[in-house]
Amino acid sequence: AQKVTQAQTEISVVEKEDVTLDCVYETRDTTYYLFWYKQPPSGELVFLIRRNSFDEQNEISGRYSWNFQKSTSSFNFTITASQVVDSAVYFCALSVPTGTASKLTFGTGTRLQVTL
Amino acid sequence: DAGVTQSPTHLIKTRGQQVTLRCSPKSGHDTVSWYQQALGQGPQFIFQYYEEEERQRGNFPDRFSGHQFPNYSSELNVNALLLGDSALYLCASSFGFPVIEQFFGPGTRLTVL
Repeated sequence: AQKVTQAQTEISVVEKEDVTLDCVYETRDTTYYLFWYKQPPSGELVFLIRRNSFDEQNEISGRYSWNFQKSTSSFNFTITASQVVDSAVYFCALSVPTGTASKLTFGTGTRLQVTL
Repeated sequence: DAGVTQSPTHLIKTRGQQVTLRCSPKSGHDTVSWYQQALGQGPQFIFQYYEEEERQRGNFPDRFSGHQFPNYSSELNVNALLLGDSALYLCASSFGFPVIEQFFGPGTRLTVL
């Protein structure tokens, strides 16, 4: 069985602060994918990034960066110089593809509030 | 290029009624997955359809059923609605197997009174 834990329920920061969202996952499989999604108030899940279990290279995309560490089963997400538009709920998710199907297992989400 | 579309946007039902939610996948996608997101929670996987067959099912009762049509669109049916079925229902589409990336629709907000 797979499990994703996002221990931070809500984080509040002032604009321009850096913020890190934590994600810890559990799976016995060696091949899996990790995701981060953003859910603004409109409700639609917006894909941010995907990493596979064989690629531990960290990634930076603009103000976003991701730190994937298999040794600690963590896939953390950092927003540098946060902006009000970053306010949303962020979900970490895990997928273990099989030959016939693949579901996403989500964490409970972290609500990020960025204020002026 | 249209993304994933869902209808209706909002729906209000009473306990015991039945409801049908609809989803059209992103152009070129052939697999549809349904998720239930209760307030303040992460989405929970309901089931996934490919080639008009249910390929995988989450921990949901038989009151939840689905269908996929030859044009890849899908329906989610819920019978004997309970208050606890109130949630945002999200549809996601993808292409082929293994499913790696899923694109989500805007969701249908179901309220059961």
